Order: sequence, then C-alpha cells, then structure tokens
Amino acid sequence: DAGVTQSPTHLIKTRGQHVTLRCSPISGHKSVSWYQQVLGQGPQFIFQYYEKEERGRGNFPDRFSARQFPNYSSELNVNALLLGDSALYLCASSYDRVVDYGYTFGSGTRLTVV
Amino acid sequence: AQSVAQPEDQVNVAEGNPLTVKCTYSVSGNPYLFWYVQYPNRGLQFLLKYITGDNLVKGSYGFEAEFNKSQTSFHLKKPSALVSDSALYFCAVRDDKAAGNKLTFGGGTRVLVKP
Repeated sequence: DAGVTQSPTHLIKTRGQHVTLRCSPISGHKSVSWYQQVLGQGPQFIFQYYEKEERGRGNFPDRFSARQFPNYSSELNVNALLLGDSALYLCASSYDRVVDYGYTFGSGTRLTVV
Repeated sequence: AQSVAQPEDQVNVAEGNPLTVKCTYSVSGNPYLFWYVQYPNRGLQFLLKYITGDNLVKGSYGFEAEFNKSQTSFHLKKPSALVSDSALYFCAVRDDKAAGNKLTFGGGTRVLVKP
C-alpha cells in the first residue's frame, strides 16, 4: 500500500503569491491533519479534517485555509505568502482518532518564500 | 491547554551506551503522549505512545519510555544506542479533554550517536 503522498516535494514562491499543497492519505484513512515545521522547531498544528469537515484549527492567520475532498485527499492553501511561511509542511493521515490509530506522516513539502 | 518541553537541544552518546531523551508535559486533564523520530528531509515516524495502563511503554527499534505522572515526564530510553539512531526526536502530547487530533510537539532533541 502507498503511504501518505504529498506534492510537490519542493517549491519556491515569491512574497505575496499564493500556494496550494496537496496530500493523499493512506487508503481508508478518513482524517487528514496539516502541520507546519519551521527549521529548527517542532511541527505546529494547522488544521484537521475528518470526513470533509474541519475538526480543528491551530493558531494560524486566515491566509491559511484547507479542504478535504470526497476521496479524503486534502489541499492546504496559503495566500499572500510571507517570508515567515517558509517551512516544511507535513500532512498526517489517520483512520480516525490519533490516540487509537496514530498518525502516518508524509515526507512533506518544503516551501521556500523569497 | 497542552504543552511539551524538551529541555535538551542535543544529546551526544557513544554507541553501545544507554540513550535518554527527556520530555515534560503540561495538560489540563490526562495526557496522551507520543514519541516520533525524524530523519533528514523526511516526515515523522512513530516510535511509541502512552494512553493508559503500564507506565513503561515499549516501542519500535528497541525504544521504550516511562510515564511519570508526579513528575509530568515521559522520557525516551534505549539501553544500547546505535549509530543509526542519530536523528531528531520529538515528544508530543494531547490532552484527553481536547477534541480532535491536534498534537502539540516539543521543539525536538537532536541525538548524535558516535561510533
């Protein structure tokens, strides 16, 4: 079985631009969570989606948005990019509750804003 | 609110020696605790978790962790470290009173195992 797939693996954007990151969870996993990992720090929670509904939102500005599709894949959108948005963006899928089923993380998308 | 602290940025250990990576937490209710490992340019890999029950939890690759409620700690241990254990280790917590799947991660501890 394929693991969690994220695309693209790397990208470079200019300040003020918009970016869309994509995640395909493990087959059968209904929950997708997004984390931002700035270099030298631990991952920070951005969003969780379960069955296409938002189940949690971290302390991020409204420039960050996400959605989940009927096939459980997900997109993370970031508008008006800032230099500080440069980070590794991680997608984590879970069948349901993380405490019962755990997370499986993708390898991430490395976003560089210049 | 839930939070995690990893007091050591880096731990150096000789191959074959015991390895300990420290973690303390703060939650309103009861903690669910996790350890993950990250290799360069990769996502996080699950090592072990504590939900309830026995305070000593055994995980992948010979790692174990001890839950200590009075000290609010969940230190990761391995009796005999390997060079291949060199990586970045993250402790994470979720309060049992919280909804959803949000985990709060510590800042990470880099482990360097020298031959």
